[in-house]
Parts: sequence; C-alpha cells; structure tokens
Amino acid sequence: KNQVEQSPQSLIILEGKNCTLQCNYTVSPFSNLRWYKQDTGRGPVSLTIMTFSENTKSNGRYTATLDADTKQSSLHITASQLSDSASYICVVSDRGSTLGRLYFGRGTQLTVWP
Amino acid sequence: EADIYQTPRYLVIGTGKKITLECSQTMGHDKMYWYQQDPGMELHLIHYSYGVNSTEKGDLSSESTVSRIRTEHFPLTLESARPSHTSQYLCASSEAMASGGAAETQYFGPGTRLLVL
Repeated sequence: KNQVEQSPQSLIILEGKNCTLQCNYTVSPFSNLRWYKQDTGRGPVSLTIMTFSENTKSNGRYTATLDADTKQSSLHITASQLSDSASYICVVSDRGSTLGRLYFGRGTQLTVWP
Repeated sequence: EADIYQTPRYLVIGTGKKITLECSQTMGHDKMYWYQQDPGMELHLIHYSYGVNSTEKGDLSSESTVSRIRTEHFPLTLESARPSHTSQYLCASSEAMASGGAAETQYFGPGTRLLVL
C-alpha cells in the first residue's frame, strides 16, 4: 500500500490562476518531505524540502506547507504560468535506515492553459 | 541544473536483446540510484549504490543488474529484454551526508524510455 497519497490526480487551470495540491502520508518515523516537479520526458527536480520542525517553505511562486501532526502537506502555486504544466510529486523520507528510504506519491498532473 | 546524464534517451528493441542503460554524474556523488516509473505511477527503486564496488537491490524486484566500477558511472543492464521491461528508467545521485541518508536531495537524470517489442 502506497504510504503517500496525492490529490487531485490531475488538474487543469487557466494561466495566472492559483492552485493547491495535496499530499497525505502515513510514513513513520518521519524525516522530511519534498516536493518535486517532473516535466514530461524529464527527471524530477526538487522544489522544496521540509523537516519535522518546519511548517512552510517557499521557492519563488511555489509555497509548501507541512502539518506533521495530521501528516498532510500542500503545494500552493501562485500566478500559474504555462511552464508550470508538469507532474508534481510528493516524496516522504523516513528515518528508519541509513539509506533514508523515500516513499513516492503518484503525482498530480497539472496542466496550465493559456 | 543537475549534472547527471542518461543515454540513450529513447530505446526501442526486440525481445531477447541485451541492453545497457548508461548513467553518469559529474558531481562526485557517492550514492547513485536506479528507479523504474510507469505512466501515472510512482517511482520504484530497483537498485542503489553507496559507492564504488557497492550495489544493492531496491524495493522493486528487477531482472536487471548494475555495476559501480567508477564513482561517476552506474550502468544498468538487461541480459534479455522482454515486453514487461517496457518502462521509463530514471537514474539519480546524492551526496552522502555524515548525518545519514534522510536529509539528502536526490538529483535525477532525464530518464531513458525503453520499449521492448
């Protein structure tokens, strides 16, 4: 069972609009949570990383939030651009091993229309 | 932009052929990884390496093999490709931290899309 669930599965918005993507996880013990952006045909690129003590992190127009108590995270994109069209993947790391095992969500496919 | 490269980017081959997917990084990272990703699905770890001469199998069983003779190079080989191997293969690397693996960011290559007929 996937321990990282993302919603919605896909989302279409108009250029300039804001949107929020959700991530719920059950990974324990929790170490950190990352949001990655994956363009079609490319590898994922890290947007933000948050540890247990952080509840918000921004990277330009991307703002991630984390509620470690409810095990939820969100990624808010403001003033969307056509180049934001991509899959956004939530990745949670545990502290159970030296490897720091990563648990991947299936991603939210965002399409920005002009 | 991460300095991690994969070749070929696309590969179409027939069943039974032997193939090697190349992955190289110029960042001097000790840790390298191979993931398999099907459309709309999550990434699955199939192999990883802590450094030269170190290779381990990941969470998803795979018929592929890997080698790590040099720090910068982590090729993946399929001895006899089958249609079930059709997928996207992503290579990644990360810098080993003294505190352990949990805080490392993995840098991904562009991927190889493999189609086995």
